[in-house]
Amino acid sequence: ETGVTQSPTHLIKTRGQQVTLRCSSQSGHNTVSWYQQALGQGPQFIFQYYREEENGRGNFPPRFSGLQFPNYSSELNVNALELDDSALYLCASSRDDDTQYFGPGTRLTVL
Amino acid sequence: KQEVTQIPAALSVPEGENLVLNCSFTDSAIYNLQWFRQDPGKGLTSLLLIQSSQREQTSGRLNASLDKSSGRSTLYIAASQPGDSATYLCAVRPSSGTYKYIFGTGTRLKVLA
Repeated sequence: ETGVTQSPTHLIKTRGQQVTLRCSSQSGHNTVSWYQQALGQGPQFIFQYYREEENGRGNFPPRFSGLQFPNYSSELNVNALELDDSALYLCASSRDDDTQYFGPGTRLTVL
Repeated sequence: KQEVTQIPAALSVPEGENLVLNCSFTDSAIYNLQWFRQDPGKGLTSLLLIQSSQREQTSGRLNASLDKSSGRSTLYIAASQPGDSATYLCAVRPSSGTYKYIFGTGTRLKVLA
C-alpha cells in the first residue's frame, strides 16, 4: 500500500503568477483534503474533494481552486499569487469517512 | 466557531523528564481528536487518535486523554528523549459538516541531552 505523495517538494514563484500542486492519494482512497500551513501556524483547511466533487471549503478566496481526477489524485491551483500564499501545502486522503493520512507537503515560496 | 488552543507554545526540558502538553477546544461537538508530530519543514505524523466516546489512548511512551465536556486534551510523554524534539499539533474533527480537521498552532518541544 503506497502512502500519500505530493509534488513538487519545493517551489518558488513570483507575485502574480499561477501555481499547480499535485497530490497522489493513498491506494483505495476517494477523498482528498488540502490544507495551508503558514510558518509557525497550524494547518488551515482549504477544501475537500469527494469522488471528483468539491465537498466543503474553508475561508479561502476563489483564486484557490482544485480538481480531483477519476483515479482520485488531486490538484490545487492558486492564481494571482500573493506573498502571503507562501506556506507549506498539505494534502490528506481517506476512504470515505475513515482516517485521514497526510502527505509530506509542498513548500511554496512567493517572492 | 471551533477554536483550538495549545499551551505552552514552546517548551524546553532535560532528557528523561516526563511532560504534559495541553490542548483546549471551544466546541465539545467533536467526532474525534488527533495529536500529530511535525518535524521542521516536514509533513504530519499521526501519533494518537481519540474518538469522542473514548477517554484516552496510549502508544508506547505517549498517552493522550480527552475530556470532551471541558474541552480539553493532554498529551503525556514519558521519559522524554532528544528524538522527541518536534512540534506537536492537536486537531479536532467537528461532529458535523465537512470532514476536516481544525488545528491548534502547536507546541514546539526541545528535549536537551
